[in-house]
Amino acid sequence: SQQGEEDPQALSIQEGENATMNCSYKTSINNLQWYRQNSGRGLVHLILIRSNEREKHSGRLRVTLDTSKKSSSLLITASRAADTASYFCATEGGGFKTIFGAGTRLFVKA
Amino acid sequence: DGGITQSPKYLFRKEGQNVTLSCEQNLNHDAMYWYRQDPGQGLRLIYYSQIVNDFQKGDIAEGYSVSREKKESFPLTVTSAQKNPTAFYLCASIGQGGLGEKLFFGSGTQLSVL
Repeated sequence: SQQGEEDPQALSIQEGENATMNCSYKTSINNLQWYRQNSGRGLVHLILIRSNEREKHSGRLRVTLDTSKKSSSLLITASRAADTASYFCATEGGGFKTIFGAGTRLFVKA
Repeated sequence: DGGITQSPKYLFRKEGQNVTLSCEQNLNHDAMYWYRQDPGQGLRLIYYSQIVNDFQKGDIAEGYSVSREKKESFPLTVTSAQKNPTAFYLCASIGQGGLGEKLFFGSGTQLSVL
């Protein structure tokens, strides 16, 4: 069962541009997380936003959460070639489960 | 350095063979997870364990088995009943507070069928 679904599936931009990825989910949540995965590696936690928060920043990352629309967005500003990776949103799946979406593949051209 | 160690990085399975993927953590985390990732796809939950000597099936447990005899270790066995085992397997654990906190991941094991 997939709780979160990212959009777009793939994104290609030039270095220096901003990248925006979206995540939609189906059921009520207490928080939503974003993770990054470099090719062939494990996932790395980027940021967690709680249901009572609307926006959160971490360095070049900005995450928004709209619980009325059951959606979140991840903005990476001034992207770099090193930002090339897959980005996943994750939400609670009931019990002790964390459910991941299919991810957005970001390619940043130098 | 604290973290999660998965081994081996690459594993090959012959038909009819059971293989075991190792996952060890020194983060003192109670909850541990196994996910399967197919190319270009998201993560699907195989099994999870909230505490030693207890584990629950995830969404795709058929053909897999686990044990949790020690807090630090959560090995995954891919049995011969799993007919399509080729995938990238990720182990994770969760920090204090459990649900709602961030997951820490190992670097993964790529399993292929010979």
